[in-house]
Amino acid sequence: GQNIDQPTEMTATEGAIVQINCTYQTSGFNGLFWYQQHAGEAPTFLSYNVLDGLEEKGRFSSFLSRSKGYSYLLLKELQMKDSASYLCAVKDGDYKLSFGAGTTVTVRA
Amino acid sequence: IAGITQAPTSQILAAGRRMTLRCTQDMRHNAMYWYRQDLGLGLRLIHYSNTAGTTGKGEVPEGYSLTRAPTDEYPLTLASAGPSQTSVYFCASSDSGGRGTDTQYFGPGTRLTVL
Repeated sequence: GQNIDQPTEMTATEGAIVQINCTYQTSGFNGLFWYQQHAGEAPTFLSYNVLDGLEEKGRFSSFLSRSKGYSYLLLKELQMKDSASYLCAVKDGDYKLSFGAGTTVTVRA
Repeated sequence: IAGITQAPTSQILAAGRRMTLRCTQDMRHNAMYWYRQDLGLGLRLIHYSNTAGTTGKGEVPEGYSLTRAPTDEYPLTLASAGPSQTSVYFCASSDSGGRGTDTQYFGPGTRLTVL
């Protein structure tokens, strides 16, 4: 089966930086996705990594190390609206995305 | 409509009843997916389909049936709903049908409660 682990909860202060780690053990690898999901809403796409290294997109960056089965999502200059769940997902075939249980980030003033 | 729509938004259902969750997308995406999301378990794939006729079971396919005609609709049917099927159901679609980045975009979800 697939095994994707990420912390359950994280708390940070407005303006700070938070790093959400994700480790995975999957039968195949075709890329890693990060999604943001606000309470009661649909997941929305944040980032995609398929090669090792850092992808930067505004305040959000995502890193991948395929040899270590490891990724992180870095959220900089935190804002209150960043309070949400962040989902790590591995594409392990042509179609299937396997998701972690999600990390709930709470931003405090 | 723009993007993916799902109906109903929420539903309370007696066990044993039949229920169809509707999903429509207007992005001309090739592939469509159904997930369920349960507290502490994350999103789990039920089934997927692409317009070339490829279909496949996900992690939790039992108790669900699906059709894909016309290609912009992908209804999910629970023939005889059970309490274990209480969940939030998300429909998603993607453009490449499996190739490349193939980002999946999600609908707003249906909250289903089976009593």
